[in-house]
Amino acid sequence: DTEVTQTPKHLVMGMTNKKSLKCEQHMGHRAMYWYKQKAKKPPELMFVYSYEKLSINESVPSRFSPECPNSSLLNLHLHALQPEDSALYLCASSLGEGGYNEQFFGPGTRLTVL
Amino acid sequence: KQEVTQIPAALSVPEGENLVLNCSFTDSAIYNLQWFRQDPGKGLTSLLLIQSSQREQTSGRLNASLDKSSGRSTLYIAASQPGDSATYLCALLYGNKLVFGAGTILRVKS
Repeated sequence: DTEVTQTPKHLVMGMTNKKSLKCEQHMGHRAMYWYKQKAKKPPELMFVYSYEKLSINESVPSRFSPECPNSSLLNLHLHALQPEDSALYLCASSLGEGGYNEQFFGPGTRLTVL
Repeated sequence: KQEVTQIPAALSVPEGENLVLNCSFTDSAIYNLQWFRQDPGKGLTSLLLIQSSQREQTSGRLNASLDKSSGRSTLYIAASQPGDSATYLCALLYGNKLVFGAGTILRVKS
């Protein structure tokens, strides 16, 4: 299995809702990433997990809460989001963090906050 | 601080043309450089990865080069096809972060 999967593909939520995004990989990668991409902009790094521990938090608001329950799974819990949080959320993984490791991206979750 | 610039921002060519996309960066202390393709509303597909010690990589009709000393990379697409229409992103692994350029939007007309 050489892919990163993300669910759901699309998500519409109100500002008071709580929802979660899910990312999975079965390539034995030990680093996983969340990126946010606004329309016509490049992806921006949000979080990095390395060996299931949070390694980087790019000063992301606390209404985004990442979780890495095991080495294959990465979640992003969403609560009290704002309309400006509407974006494509991309997950990626790599064999290790940084260094010479190629990152592999999932198809993304298109999030709309009403 | 690493800054990545991609030129041109958009490109429209007739089918069959060979074309070059450019990526420049300000700090040569990179681990690798990746070229990605992104279709509208979709995720990123990795096209080519060049390690910092390498000069170029080839995959099918694609060839990417890297010149660290001048802070430049090019993506060469031979015999372009309408299916090549997409946004092409250059990204550098700098420290432990992937730093992206703004992308080149390519349209190949049939």
